[in-house]
Amino acid sequence: GAVVSQHPSWVICKSGTSVKIECRSLDFQATTMFWYRQFPKQSLMLMATSNEGSKATYEQGVEKDKFLINHASLTLSTLTVTSAHPEDSSFYICSAGAKGGYYGYTFGSGTRLTVV
Amino acid sequence: DAKTTQPTSMDCAEGRAANLPCNHSTISGNEYVYWYRQIHSQGPQYIIHGLKNNETNEMASLIITEDRKSSTLILPHATLRDTAVYYCIVRVGGATNKLIFGTGTLLAVQP
Repeated sequence: GAVVSQHPSWVICKSGTSVKIECRSLDFQATTMFWYRQFPKQSLMLMATSNEGSKATYEQGVEKDKFLINHASLTLSTLTVTSAHPEDSSFYICSAGAKGGYYGYTFGSGTRLTVV
Repeated sequence: DAKTTQPTSMDCAEGRAANLPCNHSTISGNEYVYWYRQIHSQGPQYIIHGLKNNETNEMASLIITEDRKSSTLILPHATLRDTAVYYCIVRVGGATNKLIFGTGTLLAVQP
């Protein structure tokens, strides 16, 4: 079945630094990837949608200059949290969809980001 | 995409069937009903989806009412490992349309 690998599974960083999270589709080509953020005891909130080779589309209220998304190939998308602050501490999850194939989405296992 | 309404939480005895309801009274004709679940601190897992017919797979059954305004996810024999938050989502089919999560139902399977 479709597998999405997300790394790292957890990361601790200092305020002001940047953190990169990777999301790879292992056995299919991910035309579209989605990035979500989830705070404790809350639901997943969609941050942005990225299509291979084009700029990401951000949801309202999500700062595109702070959360940089790159989808340079059909198997890799990255989310970079720039100048991280403690309020950016959250669970970040990616998901991928394949055009013309799989009808649902496969999710990564998530990244727990803690900014100290 | 149409909105959904689910109970905040439910309990179920281990080995019994778990029936999780979902209301989607504003669903459009081209919108599918999807169910995902999220076990604590993991990514969501796809369970099942349907348009208007009832569906069954190795994990669960999906019963959609004739008017499509509500549906029920059935886990036939719940186990402790089925304890999770279950999300009912409606959206237009296709693998490139975004998936918007509501609050979901926390299913607690009791021993």
